[in-house]
Order: sequence, then structure tokens, then C-alpha cells
Amino acid sequence: DIQMTQSPSTLSASVGDRVTITCRASQSISALLAWYQQKPGKAPKLLIYKASSLESGVPSRFSGSGSGTEFTLTISSLQPDDFATYYCQHYNSYSRTFGQGTKVEIK
Amino acid sequence: EVQLLESGGGWVQPGGSLRLSCAASAYTFSTYAMGWVRQAPGKGLEWVSSISGSGGATFYANSVKGRFTMSRDNSKNTLYLEMNSLRDEDTALYYCARIGLTSANFDYWGQGTLVTVSS
Repeated sequence: DIQMTQSPSTLSASVGDRVTITCRASQSISALLAWYQQKPGKAPKLLIYKASSLESGVPSRFSGSGSGTEFTLTISSLQPDDFATYYCQHYNSYSRTFGQGTKVEIK
Repeated sequence: EVQLLESGGGWVQPGGSLRLSCAASAYTFSTYAMGWVRQAPGKGLEWVSSISGSGGATFYANSVKGRFTMSRDNSKNTLYLEMNSLRDEDTALYYCARIGLTSANFDYWGQGTLVTVSS
């Protein structure tokens, strides 16, 4: 089974900061990677799919990059609404695997 | 607007069974694959299962294979998750989610239904 590992587990940042979260796959997954945002008590929200494609309605300050085994989610200028937990997720036609999550906290 | 409403959660003893439902509205249900994702209290997300739009193909996480069965009734716009031989570690909030046609990922989610397995 493919394992997804995110780093860091927790990140402290200020409004306006540029934030980068990394996700590594245990083997090559091409670009079959998505990113989700989850706020406390709420369902997750899809941000990015196919490693770098922005889901409709998601602000352009969010971007994704990478392929193979290493991927990043970047928030270009952190906004108050962005403090949340972020998950990467590998997907293919028959299974999906989430990373353990990265919590973005207020510094 | 697309809505997904889960029901059927509750408390059950280890070894017991439970059936979750997810009622979908405001889109052509049969066109979209669907999935179940769970989240144990204070923990991360775990994919549980997925089903094709027709219901002809189903896929499961290793942790639930052989114990859980996912199905759908496209005439009722409803998704199901039959859970048998429940274990303590199945305790979680269970979300149903739609798999988008373009993204191939979970683009709409319900609010979840809580399953508690405990003696």
C-alpha cells in the first residue's frame, strides 16, 4: 500500500506569511494527488486536484505543485480564514490514501 | 445546491452491525461515483470505500474489507454503508462524499454521522 507522509505536522504562521506544506508518497504516484482543507467541526473542502489544478471557487492564493513522490501546497499570503488542518490524498481508480494532516496555527 | 445528508449512526456493541444512509439531492445522482470517508475523534481522515455511478463497482480500504458493504439505490438517490462485525476502532464520524467528474475527488461532503462502537 502507498503511504502518504505530510510535514510538518503543525505549522505556526502569521497573517500574510507564505506557507508551504509538503506531502511525500512512499512510491511514485504521478500527479494523482489532491489537497483538502478542514476546519474544526466541518467537513473537508477540496482545494487542489491532479497535484496542481485549482478546484472551482478556491482562492488563487492556494497552489499545488509536484509529481512522482514529492508534492507541495503553498498559500501565498495566509489569510485569517486559512487557519485549518490540511490533508493531502493520493487517489487512483480503486483506492485513496490520506496523509496524516498538517495543522496551520496562528503564531 | 448539492446536498448530502447522512443518517443511521449511533452506538453499537463490538461485533454488532449498523447501516448508514446518505440522501443526495440537487444533482443527477447516478452520474457520479460516491465515497465514504471516516474520521476517528481527534484523528485524521481515512478513506473507507467508493462506488461507481451505476453501483457495479465497489472498492474498500483493507481495514474494512469483508466487513463493510457499500451500495446505492439510484431510484432513491441514496447511498448505503452496511457495517458488520464492528470493532472499537471503527468508532468515527462517517462522511459520505461525491466524487467530482472533473476532479475525480471528493467535491461535496455531508456533515457526517457518528458511529460509536463500545461495550
